[in-house]
Amino acid sequence: DGGITQSPKYLFRKEGQNVTLSCEQNLNHDAMYWYRQDPGQGLRLIYYSQIVNDFQKGDIAEGYSVSREKKESFPLTVTSAQKNPTAFYLCAVRDRYNSPLHFGNGTRLTVT
Amino acid sequence: AQSVTQLDSHVSVSEGTPVLLRCNYSSSYSPSLFWYVQHPNKGLQLLLKYTSAATLVKGINGFEAEFKKSETSFHLTKPSAHMSDAAEYFCVVAIAQGAQKLVFGQGTRLTINP
Repeated sequence: DGGITQSPKYLFRKEGQNVTLSCEQNLNHDAMYWYRQDPGQGLRLIYYSQIVNDFQKGDIAEGYSVSREKKESFPLTVTSAQKNPTAFYLCAVRDRYNSPLHFGNGTRLTVT
Repeated sequence: AQSVTQLDSHVSVSEGTPVLLRCNYSSSYSPSLFWYVQHPNKGLQLLLKYTSAATLVKGINGFEAEFKKSETSFHLTKPSAHMSDAAEYFCVVAIAQGAQKLVFGQGTRLTINP
């Protein structure tokens, strides 16, 4: 989706390091989401934010942190406390209740 | 509890034949339902959505889905498969009225044989 930019596309880190994944949107949508995808599995919700300066934990928030200082940006930090950080991370936005999510192209994180 | 089940983890069809990807849901409310497609190393793209209007929903790339409340199903179909349809497909349900959280199915991998 052209209005949602995730960077970088591929990211490599050593175990024990924190890493921050970027998600920027120019769609002016209020709600933003972070999902994790592992091979052969559906998407699992990490965090979401409905408004600036507010966010809620999803189903697998342990070992992750987020901030929402601007409407356009919702960065995700994968901390050293996350036991299995290697995965494909997807950012999504949504403009209102019951409307669909619109996804970025994802960041593939590999931690060795 | 609200949930969504994709009945097949893998579907294989020949090019030019019909496609059927099955999805059942469980919801306490009249749900909003979506189908997404994901190509390798890409984000998810919305194919179609049902939000309590017409029960037969037409989407992009020739796909359509029918909401059947009595069967709690929202199966995705396409009359004639194309090689470019090979991808992973996800059925998604909004778990409650006004919900900010969506529940994803486990996905169905569609393979197209020449």
